[in-house]
Amino acid sequence: AQSVTQLDSQVPVFEEAPVELRCNYSSSVSVYLFWYVQYPNQGLQLLLKYLSGSTLVKGINGFEAEFNKSQTSFHLRKPSVHISDTAEYFCAVSVNDYKLSFGAGTTVTVRA
Amino acid sequence: NAGVTQTPKFQVLKTGQSMTLQCAQDMNHNSMYWYRQDPGMGLRLIYYSASEGTTDKGEVPNGYNVSRLNKREFSLRLESAAPSQTSVYFCASTKDRGETQYFGPGTRLLVL
Repeated sequence: AQSVTQLDSQVPVFEEAPVELRCNYSSSVSVYLFWYVQYPNQGLQLLLKYLSGSTLVKGINGFEAEFNKSQTSFHLRKPSVHISDTAEYFCAVSVNDYKLSFGAGTTVTVRA
Repeated sequence: NAGVTQTPKFQVLKTGQSMTLQCAQDMNHNSMYWYRQDPGMGLRLIYYSASEGTTDKGEVPNGYNVSRLNKREFSLRLESAAPSQTSVYFCASTKDRGETQYFGPGTRLLVL
């Protein structure tokens, strides 16, 4: 079975600074990888996903992530954050079945 | 397109009461899911339905039952609510395995 570890539970960051959210997974087979964002009192929405091909994936709102198979990681980055990026971010993995396994989440708080 | 809708938005139950959470999607998706979200634990899969007419247990199925009423609707039933079932419940749907899951706005359930 696959599992996902998000290495930081909380990440405070100043506006216009870069941010990186770390995600590691464990699986013995090929995986699909996802990052979702949850704004306060809302459901989750997809930021980006890696299915195959280029290991650098670009998503919405200026976010990108890099798949590193040797390190089993899928870290999320944004070069310059806005106040509106304050949210909880979830990394998730699927092994080409019907199920997603989620990490525990990383809360990003952007301060002016 | 409404996407994924859930009712009710909020519910308070007493221990031992029963209730059904409703979920519907208008995207003609084949697979539907029920998750619960608890602080620090990410989202955990309760049950899923890979296609109309099938349901399978997820990570935390105890105390819940589901019905895939038709392709659009997937309900979650708590037969005898317990305080440990206090949580936020999300319904999601996807076209096929490996595809993006789309989430509803959630139902906040408080069991006293």
